[in-house]
Amino acid sequence: EPEVTQTPSHQVTQMGQEVILRCVPISNHLYFYWYRQILGQKVEFLVSFYNNEISEKSEIFDDQFSVERPDGSNFTLKIRSTKLEDSAMYFCASSTPRDPAKPSYEQYFGPGTRLTVT
Amino acid sequence: GNSVTQMEGPVTLSEEAFLTINCTYTATGYPSLFWYVQYPGEGLQLLLKATKADDKGSNKGFEATYRKETTSFHLEKGSVQVSDSAVYFCALTNTGGFKTIFGAGTRLFVKA
Repeated sequence: EPEVTQTPSHQVTQMGQEVILRCVPISNHLYFYWYRQILGQKVEFLVSFYNNEISEKSEIFDDQFSVERPDGSNFTLKIRSTKLEDSAMYFCASSTPRDPAKPSYEQYFGPGTRLTVT
Repeated sequence: GNSVTQMEGPVTLSEEAFLTINCTYTATGYPSLFWYVQYPGEGLQLLLKATKADDKGSNKGFEATYRKETTSFHLEKGSVQVSDSAVYFCALTNTGGFKTIFGAGTRLFVKA
């Protein structure tokens, strides 16, 4: 069964450093998402991406964050200058179109990347 | 705005007990509703879903019915196992489908 994969599984970085989290969505999916889960808290939406542009973003997704689909398979989340409060599990998800204009409601999640900022 | 509220945990049950985890939602339009499960140290797995009113989602002995009149999607299982110990998240996807909104999660412990 196709699945979403994420690398690395765990990333440790120092405050102020840039990090790039990588995701390979399911191959025929066209909608891509990032979520984060601070330890012990709820899963929060960050951003959705379709047709090489951001469809929707939350207030968490400020100028320090960016997303990119650099090639036909990868989807990345970049944090330009990490802060201690960026420490969290980051989940990538993807979904397939329900019709040409709208994504399927069902999103498939990857296993997550645990980011630790020290 | 859209939101999901689920019962606080942790919930501790003995094996073979009946499980109910309550979930209510607030949404505009006609959202789809989901239950996700997160086992210790792992990512999110879709457990079951329902896309319209009165739909019943089911999987691995778990069930939930989309109740529009009470805006609820309670998770039930008739007989829990130790292996069901995990965190359960109720969630909805809004009409546009661009994001999933999660509840706070309910941790379930099942004792042998």
